[in-house]
Amino acid sequence: GAGVSQTPSNKVTEKGKYVELRCDPISGHTALYWYRQSLGQGPEFLIYFQGTGAADDSGLPNDRFFAVRPEGSVSTLKIQRTERGDSAVYLCASSLGRSQADTQYFGPGTRLTVL
Amino acid sequence: QKEVEQNSGPLSVPEGAIASLNCTYSDRGSQSFFWYRQYSGKSPELIMFIYSNGDKEDGRFTAQLNKASQYVSLLIRDSQPSDSATYLCAVNGISNTGKLIFGQGTTLQVKP
Repeated sequence: GAGVSQTPSNKVTEKGKYVELRCDPISGHTALYWYRQSLGQGPEFLIYFQGTGAADDSGLPNDRFFAVRPEGSVSTLKIQRTERGDSAVYLCASSLGRSQADTQYFGPGTRLTVL
Repeated sequence: QKEVEQNSGPLSVPEGAIASLNCTYSDRGSQSFFWYRQYSGKSPELIMFIYSNGDKEDGRFTAQLNKASQYVSLLIRDSQPSDSATYLCAVNGISNTGKLIFGQGTTLQVKP
């Protein structure tokens, strides 16, 4: 079956530009997570959706970051006025959402480079 | 103090040996514990999860949890060169959101 997919796989942008990163979770998974991974570090939690609502956005670093999941499936992570420090691999994961202990399955990630 | 701590390594073991990977966590209320493997340039993939104190075995892998010591480990028996990767420890905290707190990962090198 299809896993979590993310597009684009790579995104190069200039400082100050706006970017959108897309995540398509596993069919039937109601929980969706965004993480950010910098080189040599483990993934860092950004935001969690249960259905259409953001149940926990405590990991978003500042108000330049925003994410939506309008129909409870595909999610878009939006970054305004990008900065060089935003460069990282952005990972999306999904789970069944029945309990907080459900296994999270990760997508291949989007590598964002801000020049 | 980091919430989840791992030795970054690299941990080098000969082929066929037992590799022991360790992780400590700070949130005493943590409920679920996961080990992910990440090959270079790839995304994390789940190897094992453990919720209860004690050992849990799955093939060549054994996860060990000691909540009193806030310690979780992963043993890999009969290590193979294909096991060479970064192993990420992740903890599901006391929040009800399921968010995972990851350690920085331990790089394992299995030498033929």
